[in-house]
Amino acid sequence: NAGVTQTPKFQVLKTGQSMTLQCAQDMNHNSMYWYRQDPGMGLRLIYYSASEGTTDKGEVPNGYNVSRLNKREFSLRLESAAPSQTSVYFCASRRQGTGNTIYFGEGSWLTVV
Amino acid sequence: ELKVEQNPLFLSMQEGKNYTIYCNYSTTSDRLYWYRQDPGKSLESLFVLLSNGAVKQEGRLMASLDTKARLSTLHITAAVHDLSATYFCAVLYSGGGADGLTFGKGTHLIIQP
Repeated sequence: NAGVTQTPKFQVLKTGQSMTLQCAQDMNHNSMYWYRQDPGMGLRLIYYSASEGTTDKGEVPNGYNVSRLNKREFSLRLESAAPSQTSVYFCASRRQGTGNTIYFGEGSWLTVV
Repeated sequence: ELKVEQNPLFLSMQEGKNYTIYCNYSTTSDRLYWYRQDPGKSLESLFVLLSNGAVKQEGRLMASLDTKARLSTLHITAAVHDLSATYFCAVLYSGGGADGLTFGKGTHLIIQP
């Protein structure tokens, strides 16, 4: 059971470089999310997608773009990385409906130098 | 804006003792989640609480929800070392076109022999 799969797991970028974090889920979930986790801050929502073809900003969207390529895949792009984007990124998904568990990927550790 | 506050943020306790983690939130919601995170790992779903008065138990952990007080608790009974982790509560906001979990900052729990 793959669940939510993220790649890459680790990445070091130089300031100004771009990269895309990939996320795929095999649970036929409608909603997908990208969070970032920073020490002492909990997790903060960057973007979400309630269904294929739709995306919306969360709490901290600046500096990021997303694409919901199809129902399975939801990617997060950093166009010009900044040191403030050093963080752990988590992708998550859930099936719409009351009380459905939200499943998280294993995380992607990104360092911007 | 939905705010979720956990306390305490750090807790060191001895094995065999009981303790409670509190989670307050600012906006009406009846879907509250508890997650566990081990260092360097992803988030593991513990409980989903759907309605006022909901109580769920798994082993030494018991979670409850009071939607009128906007308060959830996670009670630890006769703590053991294996329960050392960071515990997050999160509230699902899904309305007005918005979606996604808002997390508390987490409670870092250390259980000492």
